[in-house]
Amino acid sequence: NAGVTQTPKFQVLKTGQSMTLQCAQDMNHNSMYWYRQDPGMGLRLIYYSASEGTTDKGEVPNGYNVSRLNKREFSLRLESAAPSQTSVYFCASTEGGVGNEKLFFGSGTQLSVL
Amino acid sequence: GQQLNQSPQSMFIQEGEDVSMNCTSSSIFNTWLWYKQDPGEGPVLLIALYKAGELTSNGRLTAQFGITRKDSFLNISASIPSDVGIYFCAGQLGTGNQFYFGTGTSLTVIP
Repeated sequence: NAGVTQTPKFQVLKTGQSMTLQCAQDMNHNSMYWYRQDPGMGLRLIYYSASEGTTDKGEVPNGYNVSRLNKREFSLRLESAAPSQTSVYFCASTEGGVGNEKLFFGSGTQLSVL
Repeated sequence: GQQLNQSPQSMFIQEGEDVSMNCTSSSIFNTWLWYKQDPGEGPVLLIALYKAGELTSNGRLTAQFGITRKDSFLNISASIPSDVGIYFCAGQLGTGNQFYFGTGTSLTVIP
């Protein structure tokens, strides 16, 4: 039981390049989330998917797109990377909508945009 | 978005000492979660709280859901070197709603 799996672990991009961060969970969770973590700012929500087939913007969605490919997978895409997107990205999931929820995280992707 | 105020921002303690940290909010939450994050890793869930006044332990860790539902507390007893890391609180306004996070408490344990 791997939980939440993210790839890649590290990535370096040049300004303007695009890339997709992949996330998969094997806990049959309904809800999935993408966060970014910056020093001194805690975890900020980029996008989330409350259930398969739905996605919604979080606190800092600009410059990102997401796809809920199926119940297991939720990807985050940077179409034209900017240095301000240098951060650590975390995917998370929770059962969603059933009460007494627990949020589980992947191990993160460290992204540097030069 | 919602702001969770977590304090202290950092702590330097001697091995064996007890640790206390807290999170406060201007909003009422129905769920509080506490996490520990090691360098280069994702946050790991330590304790989940779902009722006002609830007190829950996980080994040497004890967390409480404040009776006002606007705060939560985490205590670590008899700290050891492996307790080093960053501790985060997270709150959820209601079932199915997003989670909001504190900015973390960095804990250093001096052997």
